[in-house]
Amino acid sequence: SAVISQKPSRDICQRGTSLTIQCQVDSQVTMMFWYRQQPGQSLTLIATANQGSEATYESGFVIDKFPISRPNLTFSTLTVSNMSPEDSSIYLCSVDGLAGGELIDEQFFGPGTRLTVL
Amino acid sequence: SQQGEEDPQALSIQEGENATMNCSYKTSINNLQWYRQNSGRGLVHLILIRSNEREKHSGRLRVTLDTSKKSSSLLITASRAADTASYFCATTPLGNTGKLIFGQGTTLQVKP
Repeated sequence: SAVISQKPSRDICQRGTSLTIQCQVDSQVTMMFWYRQQPGQSLTLIATANQGSEATYESGFVIDKFPISRPNLTFSTLTVSNMSPEDSSIYLCSVDGLAGGELIDEQFFGPGTRLTVL
Repeated sequence: SQQGEEDPQALSIQEGENATMNCSYKTSINNLQWYRQNSGRGLVHLILIRSNEREKHSGRLRVTLDTSKKSSSLLITASRAADTASYFCATTPLGNTGKLIFGQGTTLQVKP
């Protein structure tokens, strides 16, 4: 499976500021996704990061709040804008799986970014 | 929106016992995956079962899928303290590529 890293691993931010989270994969992948996990909750898909075009957002998530970039097939960023304490969550990126160069159905996750907004 | 439900929400067992977690979902799926999460860290992929499969094994893990009941179960045999974690099922809705819908998760505690 692909090796996925995220930066930063955690951060504590002030209300009203923005934080950009990076997701790096060690091999080219077709699809990259961003998820949010609020405290004590399950994961919710924020958006699909599309290479070369705008991200596709899920209901309840908007580009102004969560702008996403995907400049190439191995890298994506998620920005959490104008943060409030309600944005305190773990943010995780995921990628579709590759095995021997073939696309597989499994999806793999990065280690997550734990964000606390004061 | 979350379509999956898991039960129990929390499970506490002794080391060596088996742990069974259940997952239900609402719509037709391509496949269902199980993940483990330790202490709010990243998700570790455990196993994937396709909609045309009924049972799958991987080491101490056994997963079943009943598409007629829209449910799946994860059995961990001979549990160890290191199995203590949260377990999530995630489904890929039929016709969707890559998008995962997660269940609410089961928190498993294995006591040494």
